Amino acid sequence: QSVLTQPPSASGTPGQSVSIPCSGSSSNIGTNTVNWYQQLPGTAPKLLIYSNNQRPSGVPDRFSGSKSGTSASLTISGLRSGDEADYYCAAWDDSMRGYVFGTGTKVTVL
Amino acid sequence: EVQLVESGGNLVQPGGSLKLSCAASGLTFSDSALHWVRQASGKGLEWIGHIRSKANSYATEYTESLRGRFTISRDDSKNTAYLQMNSLKTEDTAVYYCTRHRPPTVALDCWGQGTLVTVSS
Repeated sequence: QSVLTQPPSASGTPGQSVSIPCSGSSSNIGTNTVNWYQQLPGTAPKLLIYSNNQRPSGVPDRFSGSKSGTSASLTISGLRSGDEADYYCAAWDDSMRGYVFGTGTKVTVL
Repeated sequence: EVQLVESGGNLVQPGGSLKLSCAASGLTFSDSALHWVRQASGKGLEWIGHIRSKANSYATEYTESLRGRFTISRDDSKNTAYLQMNSLKTEDTAVYYCTRHRPPTVALDCWGQGTLVTVSS
């Protein structure tokens, strides 16, 4: 039972932008930084965004993150077929004393 | 090349035990906190727990539902982390991933390929 809520799916056509919201609470997103992970089909997750809006080396600037209060968002600009994947938000939860993942969002490129 | 490689996944009967290993290379293992995350087929990611570095007293934390059945340990001399799983249930069937973060940011920046654990009679 995830404590971070995401929509199960999102979609767009090539070149469009898609945003994925992540809703949490004061004990996780409201207090700690948010990370985003991309999981391509059949592969392990990969860190996409850390500390709310920072990109690891090698991640294109088409991917951006933001946070406000107890919610966060991942935006994919210039959508490509290779972006079809599951996307998860995550944060440390001070009340649960653990790391919590979002429910995950499957992005489809139409 | 930074790498985490899990091993030990297998078919085990309900009530049985299994120990997974995670061997690291190309990274500063001793500075890292090591996590285990699992994913049942077609489901989302579930954090199991982590073990901090020696500088943080090798402290461990677990998700509440698995505390007491699962134990994480590490051997810095072998650059290896472990996940001991006891009293296994069918619902523990999943791919188990090893991953890590380097403080202060709890961002899991390196992941293994995963190892499959199947609990079935």
